[in-house]
Amino acid sequence: GENVEQHPSTLSVQEGDSAVIKCTYSDSASNYFPWYKQELGKRPQLIIDIRSNVGEKKDQRIAVTLNKTAKHFSLHITETQPEDSAVYFCAANRIDKLIFGTGTRLQVFP
Amino acid sequence: EAGVAQSPRYKIIEKRQSVAFWCNPISGHATLYWYQQILGQGPKLLIQFQNNGVVDDSQLPKDRFSAERLKGVDSTLKIQPAKLEDSAVYLCASSPDRGDEQYFGPGTRLTVT
Repeated sequence: GENVEQHPSTLSVQEGDSAVIKCTYSDSASNYFPWYKQELGKRPQLIIDIRSNVGEKKDQRIAVTLNKTAKHFSLHITETQPEDSAVYFCAANRIDKLIFGTGTRLQVFP
Repeated sequence: EAGVAQSPRYKIIEKRQSVAFWCNPISGHATLYWYQQILGQGPKLLIQFQNNGVVDDSQLPKDRFSAERLKGVDSTLKIQPAKLEDSAVYLCASSPDRGDEQYFGPGTRLTVT
């Protein structure tokens, strides 16, 4: 079945720096890759997603890139702010269900 | 638009007791999902409904877990009897249709003692 690996498990950056989180997937049929942000004690919130017909998508300070050949996709956050601190989950679809990565705890220090 | 609603938000029970969780999806969303999120892990799909039919329940421990979505709107997830390892956050999500973006509810944090 589908397996999604996510790295790193923790990431600490200085405010204003960039942060990159990487995920790999195993099912070549996967074609939908969302990213969720989960603050402590709160629900996962969809922040950006990409489908396999594009290689990059950007929304203000966040962007996602997809390399279908290598089966990996990445989340890029630029000009990080303390409010970006949270756990970020990537996911890949298997048919129409999502398989989630194990999460990356991002800490942005002022 | 209103988001996915879940209740209760917190529940503490003893092992071997039963518990039920309720979910009201975003209006008009045909697909509803129940996930289990153990502390420090990503959400794991338990069951997926399309309207009032089950699409995928391959990860649902059917000897103790059951779920239904009568009338294709609200859904309930039940655990009977609960085990210590069932302690987790149970998240409900909905999407307009299969394969669309999923929106999560606030979750129910279950503690089994």
